Amino acid sequence: GDSVTQMEGPVTLSEEAFLTINCTYTATGYPSLFWYVQYPGEGLQLLLKATKADDKGSNKGFEATYRKETTSFHLEKGSVQVSDSAVYFCALISGGSNYKLTFGKGTLLTVNP
Amino acid sequence: NAGVTQTPKFQVLKTGQSMTLQCAQDMNHNSMYWYRQDPGMGLRLIYYSASEGTTDKGEVPNGYNVSRLNKREFSLRLESAAPSQTSVYFCASSAAVETQYFGPGTRLLVL
Repeated sequence: GDSVTQMEGPVTLSEEAFLTINCTYTATGYPSLFWYVQYPGEGLQLLLKATKADDKGSNKGFEATYRKETTSFHLEKGSVQVSDSAVYFCALISGGSNYKLTFGKGTLLTVNP
Repeated sequence: NAGVTQTPKFQVLKTGQSMTLQCAQDMNHNSMYWYRQDPGMGLRLIYYSASEGTTDKGEVPNGYNVSRLNKREFSLRLESAAPSQTSVYFCASSAAVETQYFGPGTRLLVL
């Protein structure tokens, strides 16, 4: 079945540091890939997505590239801010899933001033 | 445009009690979903409704029932609550494939 594996947290960084959160996946067919973000006390929000190999999703300074050869979709940001502190979830929808998202377990990011 | 709304925000139940979590969306989406979020487990799909009039089991359906009341509303019912159902519950909706929009969640504590 489909699965998503993302790096264990928590991740603690200083403001302006470089961020990478690793995500790899197993899926049937050609999945669409997503990063969702959950700020404290809130629901999940879509951060970015990519629907085919070599696509790059980007939003709010975050980027992730769909790498079919390594089945990866790593999240990166060049300079994090305190306001980026949140839980980040990697997720996928595969062709046969009837629109059901499969989530990774989430990575807690804390950015200190 | 409120997006996805959920009620209640917080609930405490005793073991064996029943309750219904309500969800509504105003985006005219066909598909709606119920997830639970537990520490270290990410989000797990309980039930989903691909379109009005249909519902299907997700990854963890035991102990729950759902009703797709109309296109806007999708409720989740716990008939006999158990401590293992203590969790945060999220409703989501989507138009066809891809982006799902999440509600703010319901925190449920079962004693």
